[in-house]
Amino acid sequence: KQEVTQIPAALSVPEGENLVLNCSFTDSAIYNLQWFRQDPGKGLTSLLLIQSSQREQTSGRLNASLDKSSGRSTLYIAASQPGDSATYLCAPLEGGKLIFGQGTELSVKP
Amino acid sequence: GAVVSQHPSWVICKSGTSVKIECRSLDFQATTMFWYRQFPKQSLMLMATSNEGSKATYEQGVEKDKFLINHASLTLSTLTVTSAHPEDSSFYICSADKTGTHGYTFGSGTRLTVV
Repeated sequence: KQEVTQIPAALSVPEGENLVLNCSFTDSAIYNLQWFRQDPGKGLTSLLLIQSSQREQTSGRLNASLDKSSGRSTLYIAASQPGDSATYLCAPLEGGKLIFGQGTELSVKP
Repeated sequence: GAVVSQHPSWVICKSGTSVKIECRSLDFQATTMFWYRQFPKQSLMLMATSNEGSKATYEQGVEKDKFLINHASLTLSTLTVTSAHPEDSSFYICSADKTGTHGYTFGSGTRLTVV
């Protein structure tokens, strides 16, 4: 059974810092992996999708990497801003289903 | 882009009544939609996979007679919480797979409160 772990559970940083969010999964037989952002009481916004054959994807200040063999993905956020404050969720796709981690709650202070 | 609309965004109902939540893909067709439940400070738990034109597939531990799913068209899936009880109070979110892309788009969620 796929299990997804995200570290840290919570993170508070001053504005402008670069930061890394970690995601690990136990079963490497995934089709792809998505990173999502969730604001309080809201749905999920897709940030990046990495196919299993890819190593990384970039969108603006966000960069996600994937090491399928070791069961790890990281989300790198450059020059963090208060508007980045949210919960970040990673979800590998396996058997047609997204399996979610508990998320990292990020707070970026002005 | 791919947009999924979920309605209502919040609902309060009395214990014992039924509530229907709609999930629509606005600009694409979705043969498969998914329903999740999220309790406060917890992650999303998949409840069921909704398949257009056929019966939904429920995850272990989810009561299919309590959570009725209908996926009558390529753009609409509905979740009906029947005979709701306070323990059903939760945040329900749907998602859809833009057919062939395996990239999932989520609705904005429905906050259900049963009193």
